[in-house]
Amino acid sequence: EVHLEQSGAEFKKPGESLQISCKGSGYNFAIYWIAWVRQMPGKGLEWMGIIYPDDSDARYTPSFRGQVTFSVDKSVSTAYLQWTSLKVSDTAKYYCARGLDADSWGQGTPVIVSS
Amino acid sequence: ETTVTQSPMFLSAAPGHTVNITCKATEDIDDDLNWYQQKAGGLVVLLIREATTVVSATPPRFRGSGHGFDFTLTIQPLQPEDAADYFCLQHDGFPQTFGQGTRVEVK
Repeated sequence: EVHLEQSGAEFKKPGESLQISCKGSGYNFAIYWIAWVRQMPGKGLEWMGIIYPDDSDARYTPSFRGQVTFSVDKSVSTAYLQWTSLKVSDTAKYYCARGLDADSWGQGTPVIVSS
Repeated sequence: ETTVTQSPMFLSAAPGHTVNITCKATEDIDDDLNWYQQKAGGLVVLLIREATTVVSATPPRFRGSGHGFDFTLTIQPLQPEDAADYFCLQHDGFPQTFGQGTRVEVK
C-alpha cells in the first residue's frame, strides 16, 4: 500500500529556517514525482511544485520560486521542503503527494510562524 | 498556465439529494482532471482520476463526467458522511492547478 508519512507540526519564529519531510513507502519511491502543496488557514490548495527523486529534477510554480527549496534523498525514500528564512505568511499546512496527478497524499505538516 | 474555475463555493443539501460540482478549465485539458475530498482540513483523498475513473475506495455514489473544458462531480445520493470540501486538480501540464474548492454541507 502506498503511504506518505510527513513530519510533525512545527512552531517557528520569523527569520528561522525549517526543513520538513515526506517519507514514501509501499512503492518505488525513485520513479514517481513528489509534489508539494500549500493550504493556508481556511483556504484552498496551492500547487507549489514537484521534484523527481531519481535525479532531483525540481520545478517550482512561479509564485513559490525562490521562496522554498525542494530536495530529496532517495536512499531513504524521503523528500524535503526547506525554508531559509520563514515569514509569518508561511503559516500553513503543507502536504506532499505522489505523482504529477497527486494520487496519494501525506497527512500534512502544520507550520506555524509567529513572533 | 491553465486555470480551473470551480463552482459553487458552497452548497447545502439534504441526504438523498443529488449534488453537482463543476470545474471549468481555461484550456482543453483532455481528461486530465482529478477530484479530491478533504474532511475538516485533514487528509486529502483522491476520489476520481482522469475525469471519470472512480478509484477503488470511492463509494459508487460518486461519479465524474466531462472532457476538454468542462467537468462535473456528482454525488447521488448524498450521505451525511459526504460533508467535506471537494477540490478538482488539472494535471494536463506544469504547473498543475486546483479549483477553488466547494464546501458541501449535509442538512
